[in-house]
Amino acid sequence: GQQLNQSPQSMFIQEGEDVSMNCTSSSIFNTWLWYKQDPGEGPVLLIALYKAGELTSNGRLTAQFGITRKDSFLNISASIPSDVGIYFCAGQLAREGNKLVFGAGTILRVKS
Amino acid sequence: SAVISQKPSRDICQRGTSLTIQCQVDSQVTMMFWYRQQPGQSLTLIATANQGSEATYESGFVIDKFPISRPNLTFSTLTVSNMSPEDSSIYLCSVGGGGDAEYFGPGTRLTVT
Repeated sequence: GQQLNQSPQSMFIQEGEDVSMNCTSSSIFNTWLWYKQDPGEGPVLLIALYKAGELTSNGRLTAQFGITRKDSFLNISASIPSDVGIYFCAGQLAREGNKLVFGAGTILRVKS
Repeated sequence: SAVISQKPSRDICQRGTSLTIQCQVDSQVTMMFWYRQQPGQSLTLIATANQGSEATYESGFVIDKFPISRPNLTFSTLTVSNMSPEDSSIYLCSVGGGGDAEYFGPGTRLTVT
């Protein structure tokens, strides 16, 4: 099946630091989505990107839809303890009925 | 976005039995999906629940093992049949898609002993 390569696999950072994670693929996506999942919860949508080159912010979060439509990044500025969790990228493939494909996730831990 | 609830939130089941998971949405939605998240893993699409017709299953998932119902535009069920320990996972429903963002329910954590 289609694969999204998400990196890094995990991060352990100091409170206040900025965080960056990204997803790449050999396939072209119509939509890129970023989710956060806390333990025992379902994924919560953080940012949705619909156009190549689109740069969107949501508070301290910024994400971009790569110009080639094969990649996306998520940045978190000035991390705080509640940023801890697993972050997933996901993309919708038009040629597969916009089926959602997920990356493996980035585990974020924050030292306060 | 729609408010999505799932029942049960968690269950512990004996191998060989079946469990039906319910997904309720507070508004009518066209697309509903079921996902599995195995321990420590990412999400994998099981099937698209189609209202008024049979679900569309992804490769590796079959109707006999994961029968799905979608009687109306706000409700769907997923049954995990003849369970084995390998079925221990979080099962999630979602709505949206079709080029728009998908929104997920809180999940059902299933443990099979």
